[in-house]
Amino acid sequence: DAGVTQSPTHLIKTRGQQVTLRCSPKSGHDTVSWYQQALGQGPQFIFQYYEEEERQRGNFPDRFSGHQFPNYSSELNVNALLLGDSALYLCASSSGNTIYFGEGSWLTVV
Amino acid sequence: QKEVEQDPGPLSVPEGAIVSLNCTYSNSAFQYFMWYRQYSRKGPELLMYTYSSGNKEDGRFTAQVDKSSKYISLFIRDSQPSDSATYLCAIHTGNQFYFGTGTSLTVIP
Repeated sequence: DAGVTQSPTHLIKTRGQQVTLRCSPKSGHDTVSWYQQALGQGPQFIFQYYEEEERQRGNFPDRFSGHQFPNYSSELNVNALLLGDSALYLCASSSGNTIYFGEGSWLTVV
Repeated sequence: QKEVEQDPGPLSVPEGAIVSLNCTYSNSAFQYFMWYRQYSRKGPELLMYTYSSGNKEDGRFTAQVDKSSKYISLFIRDSQPSDSATYLCAIHTGNQFYFGTGTSLTVIP
């Protein structure tokens, strides 16, 4: 049973560019959430998708947007990248009261 | 006030020691509590999941919830160098999960 898979694992972007990160949830999970984890910090909730709709959103600007597809996979898009967007971006899928994370995508903005 | 607070450490112990990791939370209505282990540059891995008060044991790991004090703990017995990682506590409420900042643990051989 494949767990949560994310791509790419590492990427480097320049300030002002746009990035798209991808996620496939754990089998049987229909809810996908995205988190940003800066070095030395806990994961910070960006938003959650369920049934292809954004169900909940954390305190992140509109530069952060997402999408969920009919097969429950999801994308996170970040526009107009800032140096402060450099972080580990974690996708998580949930079923009931537990949440499972992928290995994350390391984004470095230079 | 943050939903969950965690002592960031770092914590350094000799191999074989008992480790205690702790978090406090703000809302007495919270009922679902989790501990995650995160190795360097990897995603968090679910270790333990508990519901309401009491203890839950899994091998060398014990998760404890004290709802009267709004305190959750993870105990690691006979700690091993492979336990060296960052440990995150988490709470589930509604559709959201809240995470502590993580405690960095190093077990010295």
